[in-house]
Amino acid sequence: EAGVAQSPRYKIIEKRQSVAFWCNPISGHATLYWYQQILGQGPKLLIQFQNNGVVDDSQLPKDRFSAERLKGVDSTLKIQPAKLEDSAVYLCASSLGVGTYNEQFFGPGTRLTVL
Amino acid sequence: AQSVTQLDSHVSVSEGTPVLLRCNYSSSYSPSLFWYVQHPNKGLQLLLKYTSAATLVKGINGFEAEFKKSETSFHLTKPSAHMSDAAEYFCVVSEPTGANNLFFGTGTRLTVIP
Repeated sequence: EAGVAQSPRYKIIEKRQSVAFWCNPISGHATLYWYQQILGQGPKLLIQFQNNGVVDDSQLPKDRFSAERLKGVDSTLKIQPAKLEDSAVYLCASSLGVGTYNEQFFGPGTRLTVL
Repeated sequence: AQSVTQLDSHVSVSEGTPVLLRCNYSSSYSPSLFWYVQHPNKGLQLLLKYTSAATLVKGINGFEAEFKKSETSFHLTKPSAHMSDAAEYFCVVSEPTGANNLFFGTGTRLTVIP
């Protein structure tokens, strides 16, 4: 079974530029999550989708971050404009559905460096 | 509100000796608790989870954890460390609010000395 795919794996940009990350969840997984993991910290949830609808985006800095999952399958997370403090690993995860009994499976992440 | 505290940012053990990674949690409900492992350049992998069933939970690769409500702890143990266990370990809490949101601790880096 293929896992969660993410691209690119690494990205270096200058501050004020824009960047986009892509995630393809495990086939059949209705729920998709984006996490931000700053160096030395645990991952923090940014946004959660159930199919193509947003379940929770309370921690997403909406002035610069946006995410979409238009067809309820793959998803894109965008940052525009980027700040130095956005340097982090962005993790995508998916699960069969919402609820603690549904294990979240994580992708390898995209490491973003903002100069 | 829920949170977890991982008491050690770095643990170093010799190969073949026991591993203990400590975690305390705070939750307003009966929480679900997890341990995830993160190897360099790899995705997070679930080691084990507690969801109100047996308090002693066995996971993959010989790891286990015990839920102690009176101590609000969920420490991770392994009888004998292997070189391949060297990684970052995260204690995670989730409350039964339906959204399945995971709240991660800050992580413990395990080093295994040959």
